[in-house]
Amino acid sequence: DQQVKQNSPSLSVQEGRISILNCDYTNSMFDYFLWYKKYPAEGPTFLISISSIKDKNEDGRFTVFLNKSAKHLSLHIVPSQPGDSAVYFCAASGRRGDMRFGAGTRLTVKP
Amino acid sequence: DGGITQSPKYLFRKEGQNVTLSCEQNLNHDAMYWYRQDPGQGLRLIYYSQIVNDFQKGDIAEGYSVSREKKESFPLTVTSAQKNPTAFYLCASSTTLTGPAKNIQYFGAGTRLSVL
Repeated sequence: DQQVKQNSPSLSVQEGRISILNCDYTNSMFDYFLWYKKYPAEGPTFLISISSIKDKNEDGRFTVFLNKSAKHLSLHIVPSQPGDSAVYFCAASGRRGDMRFGAGTRLTVKP
Repeated sequence: DGGITQSPKYLFRKEGQNVTLSCEQNLNHDAMYWYRQDPGQGLRLIYYSQIVNDFQKGDIAEGYSVSREKKESFPLTVTSAQKNPTAFYLCASSTTLTGPAKNIQYFGAGTRLSVL
């Protein structure tokens, strides 16, 4: 049973525009949510996170929004740059520390 | 500098053979994790350990075994019982101290396992 879902396997945007990546979760016990960025043949690297007590967290060009009632979070990248092209994983963490990942969304930013 | 080291980068397994993937960290993290990634899929949790000499099964532990004898090391053995071992294996670690940082996992570069 997939507890974290990313329904869009790929997304393509023009450089300078906004990229919006979406994620849904089913387990209401998750209390921390993260986004990771991954390049081929490498491990994921942490990008940005949000606690369940907040609804928005911003870090430079990256903003994560959390809608707890809808069990939905999104990552906004503004403006998008070609170097942002990668696979983005949404992850959710419970109090035991174990984390569940979505299937990932491949973002392509075109120059 | 601190980080997580996985070795080898590539590994081949013969039928009926057990193989062990190495994961070492010098971040002084208490918690360590093993994930498996298949093409087009997300990371699935195999095993995790919050403290030395203790570990828990994740979602897909069957056919795998781990040990945690030292804080720095969390080796994963892929046993012959794992019938479909071909995948990309990722090790991660995190602190267990209270605060937001305990939720952030840091990953190694991965080991790609293939069956001969």
